[in-house]
Amino acid sequence: AQSVTQLGSHVSVSEGALVLLRCNYSSSVPPYLFWYVQYPNQGLQLLLKYTSAATLVKGINGFEAEFKKSETSFHLTKPSAHMSDAAEYFCAVSEDSGGYQKVTFGIGTKLQVIP
Amino acid sequence: GAVVSQHPSWVICKSGTSVKIECRSLDFQATTMFWYRQFPKQSLMLMATSNEGSKATYEQGVEKDKFLINHASLTLSTLTVTSAHPEDSSFYICSAGVTGFAQPQHFGDGTRLSIL
Repeated sequence: AQSVTQLGSHVSVSEGALVLLRCNYSSSVPPYLFWYVQYPNQGLQLLLKYTSAATLVKGINGFEAEFKKSETSFHLTKPSAHMSDAAEYFCAVSEDSGGYQKVTFGIGTKLQVIP
Repeated sequence: GAVVSQHPSWVICKSGTSVKIECRSLDFQATTMFWYRQFPKQSLMLMATSNEGSKATYEQGVEKDKFLINHASLTLSTLTVTSAHPEDSSFYICSAGVTGFAQPQHFGDGTRLSIL
């Protein structure tokens, strides 16, 4: 089974500063990786996905993530944080589970943006 | 595109009642739908996976008779919490996906269930 580790359950950055949210995965096969964002009392919204086409993936709202196989990482970054980026972010990996897709989520990282 | 509607968004009911939550894919056909439970300040816990026209696959530790899942069509799945008790209070989220492990799931906005 694959797993996802998100380092840092809470991250605080100043408005305009770099955002870096860490995600490491374990997998015996090439993974499909995703980042989702969740605002309070809402479902999850897809930010970006890695499906082996390119190691640097650009997503919505200025976010991007780089797949590094040697480090088994898929960290999420944004050059300049906005107040509206305050939310919970989940890294996820997709795998084949008996012919069906199964997605495993990390514990989530709550991003706080300080004015 | 890829909108998933989940209804209701908030339910408060008495202990012992059954509650049905609907999950609809509005503009696409979902071959697979997923039901998650999220505890406060925690990640999503997959409860079950359902494919249209077949029985749901439940994760270990999830009671099948407690959480009834029906996926009658490619656009609708329902989760019924039977004889709900306070410990069933939680945030339930559905998602819908199409075939393929590289395809992202599309999430509903969740249902907050409070059992008194």
